[in-house]
Amino acid sequence: NFMLTQPHSVSESPGKTVTISCTRSSGSIASNYVQWYQQRPGSAPTTVIYEDNQRPSGVPDRFSGSIDSSSNSASLTISGLKTEDEADYYCQSYDSSSWVFGGGTKLTVL
Amino acid sequence: EVQLVESGGGLVKPGGSLRLSCAASGFTFSSYSMNWVRQAPGKGLEWVSSISSSSSYIYYADSVKGRFTISRDNAKNSLYLQMNSLRAEDTAVYYCARGRGETWGQGTLVTVSS
Repeated sequence: NFMLTQPHSVSESPGKTVTISCTRSSGSIASNYVQWYQQRPGSAPTTVIYEDNQRPSGVPDRFSGSIDSSSNSASLTISGLKTEDEADYYCQSYDSSSWVFGGGTKLTVL
Repeated sequence: EVQLVESGGGLVKPGGSLRLSCAASGFTFSSYSMNWVRQAPGKGLEWVSSISSSSSYIYYADSVKGRFTISRDNAKNSLYLQMNSLRAEDTAVYYCARGRGETWGQGTLVTVSS
């Protein structure tokens, strides 16, 4: 079993770029796809990145995902920040037959 | 439009049972694996269970194994979660999610309290 560790919170100003990390505790980050979910207060999660770096239709290209084997982590980068991007973001991967979630990162856009 | 709608949540006493449903529309339900994910109040997301498209493969989180049962009816485009021996720590919003998480329902709240 492994864990995914995210920073508890990040904050940045509108128009800037922010990166949220997701570090895998054991095993290679590249061995299973990573997804990223956005959850606004009172709403269900929605996918912003799937299969490490793929954007669902309708998600703006300001959102991008990547993985880095050297740090064994995945990253979600949001450029041109907007106030509407303020939300909780969760990374998720797979451990054989189960899903593993990171603890979530609260993004504040101020 | 792809849509998932959960129902069946509510208030139940510790030790009680509840059955959640997830009605799917807008896609070929029988072609996708399905999942239940929960979120306790103010907490993060926790995977609960997954079922393959034909129900051949079923998996549970250790926290619910032996108490919860996932099932599906492809003829009715529906996913279910039978929850028995409920505990206070099962209190959460329960979401159903399609496949690898590309679509989620709006969730249904389960409260376990005396």
